[in-house]
Amino acid sequence: TQLLEQSPQFLSIQEGENLTVYCNSSSVFSSLQWYRQEPGEGPVLLVTVVTGGEVKKLKRLTFQFGDARKDSSLHITAAQPGDTGLYLCAGDEVDSNYQLIWGAGTKLIIKP
Amino acid sequence: EAGVVQSPRYKIIEKKQPVAFWCNPISGHNTLYWYLQNLGQGPELLIRYENEEAVDDSQLPKDRFSAERLKGVDSTLKIQPAELGDSAVYLCASSPGTSGGHRVETQYFGPGTRLLVL
Repeated sequence: TQLLEQSPQFLSIQEGENLTVYCNSSSVFSSLQWYRQEPGEGPVLLVTVVTGGEVKKLKRLTFQFGDARKDSSLHITAAQPGDTGLYLCAGDEVDSNYQLIWGAGTKLIIKP
Repeated sequence: EAGVVQSPRYKIIEKKQPVAFWCNPISGHNTLYWYLQNLGQGPELLIRYENEEAVDDSQLPKDRFSAERLKGVDSTLKIQPAELGDSAVYLCASSPGTSGGHRVETQYFGPGTRLLVL
C-alpha cells in the first residue's frame, strides 16, 4: 500500500495549458517536499512545505500544503516543455524521526 | 562545487553474478542514502548512513545486498548474487546531516546507476 498517493500517474498536455497534480495520504506529515526528476538524472528538490495551509510559489509553480497536513498540490501555470519530468512528493510522518516516505510520482509531458 | 558522483552509470550483468556500485557524496555531507528506483516509481530507501554508521538498513535485503562507508565519505553498495528482479536504478543521495535530527534536510541525488540483470 502506497502511503503517499500521487495523481494522476501520467499527464500529457500542450504547452501553455495549466495543470494540477496531487499528493494525498491518510497520515499527517511534519513536512512535505516536492522533487522533479528528469530522464537519466536523480530527483532535484523544488520546495519544502511545513505549515498547514502554506502556499509557496516558484515562478509558474504553486505548491500548497493542506490545512491538516495530509495532502499537497502542485499547480503549474502556462506549462512549458522544460517542465517535462517526473514530479515526486516525499513526506516525513509525524514522529518518524524525519525519514522521508516517497510517492510513486506523476509523469508529466508538455508537448510543444 | 561537485555534486554527488556515482559510477558506473550503466551496468549489464548476467544473473547470479556480483555487482558493485560506488558513490561519492557532496564534500562535507555526513548523511548518505542508497535508494532503489523501479521504472515509473518513487525511490525506495535501502540504507542510510550517518558518517560511517548505518543508522537505517531495515529495507536492505541482507541475504544478497551489502553496503559500506568505511571512512564516512564514499560508499559502495554490492549485490551478490544478482537476480533478474534487481534490475532497477540505484540512486545515491547525500545531505548535510547537520540538523541534529531536528528537521528534514534537502537530499542531493546523483544521476544513478542503471542495472540490467539478464
